[in-house]
Amino acid sequence: GQQVMQIPQYQHVQEGEDFTTYCNSSTTLSNIQWYKQRPGGHPVFLIQLVKSGEVKKQKRLTFQFGEAKKNSSLHITATQTTDVGTYFCAVAGGGNKLTFGTGTQLKVEL
Amino acid sequence: IAGITQAPTSQILAAGRRMTLRCTQDMRHNAMYWYRQDLGLGLRLIHYSNTAGTTGKGEVPDGYSVSRANTDDFPLTLASAVPSQTSVYFCASSSLAPTTDTQYFGPGTRLTVL
Repeated sequence: GQQVMQIPQYQHVQEGEDFTTYCNSSTTLSNIQWYKQRPGGHPVFLIQLVKSGEVKKQKRLTFQFGEAKKNSSLHITATQTTDVGTYFCAVAGGGNKLTFGTGTQLKVEL
Repeated sequence: IAGITQAPTSQILAAGRRMTLRCTQDMRHNAMYWYRQDLGLGLRLIHYSNTAGTTGKGEVPDGYSVSRANTDDFPLTLASAVPSQTSVYFCASSSLAPTTDTQYFGPGTRLTVL
């Protein structure tokens, strides 16, 4: 099945600093989804990217899909304590299934 | 409130016991999924169902079984629980192919097998 590597595993930042998490694949992806999971919560869909080089923004969050459709990034500008959680990418795993990355856990300190 | 419900919220289970985790959705989604989440391993797919009456194996199906008798319900059964099945279990659903549509997750069941 489709494999995707997500880095970093953990990230601690001071409030107001920027944050970026990356997902990388060895093969071309048809699309990629991003989810956020708050501590003690469940994953919640954020966005889907489909086109090569696509960039989408949601307030302070910027999502990019690489030109070769093999990697993607999620960038948060000026983090806030509400950004705390684990961010997952997810890609088509074949057979109508998604394969999730291992996630990046973000902690924001005041 | 529309969405996915899971029961129980948490459970402590003796090894060897049988356990069924319940999942119900009211969004009339075709596809449903069971994941387990373990620290450092992300979400791993156990079983899935693309439509009522059909099921399929995911990445880690051993020790688990599912059924999909109708659109709304997708129970997950551990026939004889083992400590390695201690995990947080999430049920999810999507209306179309998950590669093109959002997956909606339930609140999860925290299972401890002793």
